[in-house]
Amino acid sequence: AQTVTQSQPEMSVQEAETVTLSCTYDTSESDYYLFWYKQPPSRQMILVIRQEAYKQQNATENRFSVNFQKAAKSFSLKISDSQLGDAAMYFCAYRSYGGSQGNLIFGKGTKLSVKP
Amino acid sequence: DAGVTQSPTHLIKTRGQQVTLRCSPKSGHDTVSWYQQALGQGPQFIFQYYEEEERQRGNFPDRFSGHQFPNYSSELNVNALLLGDSALYLCASSLEAAGRYGYTFGSGTRLTVV
Repeated sequence: AQTVTQSQPEMSVQEAETVTLSCTYDTSESDYYLFWYKQPPSRQMILVIRQEAYKQQNATENRFSVNFQKAAKSFSLKISDSQLGDAAMYFCAYRSYGGSQGNLIFGKGTKLSVKP
Repeated sequence: DAGVTQSPTHLIKTRGQQVTLRCSPKSGHDTVSWYQQALGQGPQFIFQYYEEEERQRGNFPDRFSGHQFPNYSSELNVNALLLGDSALYLCASSLEAAGRYGYTFGSGTRLTVV
């Protein structure tokens, strides 16, 4: 069974600075998807960024980028130029590649605080 | 374009009662998944519905059941409620053919069992 581990329960960053959230996972599959979701106090899970395991290039979405290390099974999220609105819970998630294997496996999350 | 809509937003039930939670998927989506998120934890997969059938199920007892309607909306039913069922229940929708692009989540239903 696949597992996702987020070893940082809480992180803090100064506004406009850069922060990196860590995520490791365990799987025996060679093809899969990885996601970072943001959950603000409104409770809705918002997709931040996704990565397909067969792509070597790291995904980037504006101020958000990932460092995907397939051999090390590591998938960290870097937030540049942090903004107050980035404060939230961040969840790393794994999904198998097969079409019928649709469920997401989440880590326990990292609570990010942004200081003005 | 409406996203995923869940109702109610909050409810309080007594141990032993039954509860029904509702979810309307994002327009154009045909697959609905349900997740349970206990306080301080990541969401855990309950089950997924596609073409009105339960396609995949997580490690949850039979007290948890669901349904998907022809318009793709879905219900989650929990019988014989336990205190441990208190959690945020999230609904997520996707398009079967494009599930690799991730899921759209609703804001959840906060269930408190007393």
